[in-house]
Amino acid sequence: NAGVTQTPKFQVLKTGQSMTLQCAQDMNHEYMSWYRQDPGMGLRLIHYSVGAGITDQGEVPNGYNVSRSTTEDFPLRLLSAAPSQTSVYFCASSSSEGTDTQYFGPGTRLTVL
Amino acid sequence: KNQVEQSPQSLIILEGKNCTLQCNYTVSPFSNLRWYKQDTGRGPVSLTIMTFSENTKSNGRYTATLDADTKQSSLHITASQLSDSASYICVVSAGSSASKIIFGSGTRLSIRP
Repeated sequence: NAGVTQTPKFQVLKTGQSMTLQCAQDMNHEYMSWYRQDPGMGLRLIHYSVGAGITDQGEVPNGYNVSRSTTEDFPLRLLSAAPSQTSVYFCASSSSEGTDTQYFGPGTRLTVL
Repeated sequence: KNQVEQSPQSLIILEGKNCTLQCNYTVSPFSNLRWYKQDTGRGPVSLTIMTFSENTKSNGRYTATLDADTKQSSLHITASQLSDSASYICVVSAGSSASKIIFGSGTRLSIRP
């Protein structure tokens, strides 16, 4: 099993550009989440999904969209990138929603100029 | 407000020595507490997960303790190795929703030869 995969690993955007961060898992997990990690702060939840076709907002959803058309994939879209979105983004999956071990992808380091 | 506080923020020890990392939380209701290890440039990896009724759990040289009464947890690393250099993140779940998972900001541990 590849576990949780994320692409790209690094990305540089200009302010106002849009892009999609890809996340896929091959563990047949229903629950997937997107987090951002900033220096000196804990991971913060952006959006999460409890199954295909179902998504919900986390703590910091503004400026981001998600969709979950399949169990395996959970892409994160930046609509109009801003310097405040410079961060490291992690995708995670688990077999139960809040009480089970989460498996994290390797992360995407995004810089917005 | 649900919070997870970790101390120290950073720690440097010599290879072969033991160390203990602390986690205090003000999370209610409590579901479980997890410790993750995050190597530089990688996603977090689960070390232990403890529920309310468990007060200690080991994973090799890592031993986590939980005092649910005082809302404190510790992670003890025995006979440290250079590969233990990483950030250690305490995570507390306040229920069954992904939106109820609270991350600490981590302790950065450096092992010197």
